[in-house]
Amino acid sequence: QQPVQSPQAVILREGEDAVINCSSSKALYSVHWYRQKHGEAPVFLMILLKGGEQKGHDKISASFNEKKQQSSLYLTASQLSYSGTYFCGTEGRYGGSQGNLIFGKGTKLSVKP
Amino acid sequence: NAGVTQTPKFQVLKTGQSMTLQCAQDMNHEYMSWYRQDPGMGLRLIHYSVGAGITDQGEVPNGYNVSRSTTEDFPLRLLSAAPSQTSVYFCASSASGTGGTDTQYFGPGTRLTVL
Repeated sequence: QQPVQSPQAVILREGEDAVINCSSSKALYSVHWYRQKHGEAPVFLMILLKGGEQKGHDKISASFNEKKQQSSLYLTASQLSYSGTYFCGTEGRYGGSQGNLIFGKGTKLSVKP
Repeated sequence: NAGVTQTPKFQVLKTGQSMTLQCAQDMNHEYMSWYRQDPGMGLRLIHYSVGAGITDQGEVPNGYNVSRSTTEDFPLRLLSAAPSQTSVYFCASSASGTGGTDTQYFGPGTRLTVL
């Protein structure tokens, strides 16, 4: 039931791009993306609702393919500030998973100078 | 706005003790939730509330109780602490009546150790 994130960890040099994937076995209504820095609370990045939309925020964007029950987070021209652990949270479309987020285990991103 | 506040920031308990983790938000949000975060496990939902007087169980509710007597406050009670409850606990709130369609704002967390 927990969405699967890949990769588990990635190391980048400043300016490089990265893609983080989130895959669910259940039909989804929405996908959230959050970033958490060490010792801090998760911080909201974006929500994607069903409809196959793609959203962007500065150099971070995401897509949601509801047919494949997958979402991807794209980080372009990475900066040192992008370092942290990225979590996807999914809301199921049916049954008890409606209205709540189930989070993946996270992807640890490290950006080096 | 202070946003979502949690107290205490750190707590050490002995096995069998009980305690209450406090959570408050000043954004008039309907939806509030409690998560626990363990290394390599992500965030797991313990309990949630869609409004004052309404609470329900999440993924991992055993050993925890909640109540929601006001819109602002959502305390989490550990009935009889066990070492397996050693974790970081986050409270979150959302403006809409669900946790899925709107931004969830997280509190700073409470680090709990049970000896």
